[in-house]
Amino acid sequence: DVVMTQTPVSLSVTPGQAASISCKSSQSLLSRDGKTYLYWYLQKSGQSPQLLIYEVSSRFSGVPDRFSGSGSGTDFTLKISRVEAEDVGVYYCMQGLFVPRTFGQGTKVEI
Amino acid sequence: EVQLEESGGGLVKPGGSLRLSCVGSGLIFKKAWLNWVRQAPGKGLEWIGRIKSSLDGGTVDYTASVKGRFSISRDDSRQTLYLEMNSLRVEDTAIYYCGSGYPDRWGQGTQVTVST
Repeated sequence: DVVMTQTPVSLSVTPGQAASISCKSSQSLLSRDGKTYLYWYLQKSGQSPQLLIYEVSSRFSGVPDRFSGSGSGTDFTLKISRVEAEDVGVYYCMQGLFVPRTFGQGTKVEI
Repeated sequence: EVQLEESGGGLVKPGGSLRLSCVGSGLIFKKAWLNWVRQAPGKGLEWIGRIKSSLDGGTVDYTASVKGRFSISRDDSRQTLYLEMNSLRVEDTAIYYCGSGYPDRWGQGTQVTVST
């Protein structure tokens, strides 16, 4: 199975500051169709996960533009330009190229 | 608005069985690829499996830990996704979510507890 490794495990940020989460995959997520199947989710306390970013850098509907994704191959980054209180939760990356789909272990973001 | 609603969770003894359902609305259900993802208490997300749309062959894939015990199916006429769980183990205790697409839309989850 493809191993997804996120760093850091936890992150304490001040509102208005930037935050960055890294995700590394054990295999390249670049598909023969030219797309890279890497996704970012946020799970707020007591809620279902919500999709933030798909295919490395595309923001899902309704996601604020302070969230951005970048990377290629096996190395990916989620950036929050100016953290807000509502951004608290656990962030997961997930690879969507191989079966089984696999998630990173999560990064807990606290204010 | 896409909505997914899981049901069927509960308390079951080890070795027992349970069937979860997920009803979808607001999406073209028959075209959707549908997933089951679970989250054990205090743990991260674990993808269980996925069923492709009938148009894409209806293929089902599973993660190794549930293969042979769990079965995913769908009834497009009822806009319903199913997860049949057999030979349940204590370690199957989790919140079970259904998700459509990547997944990009998720249900609210249903709790499954396997305990004596």
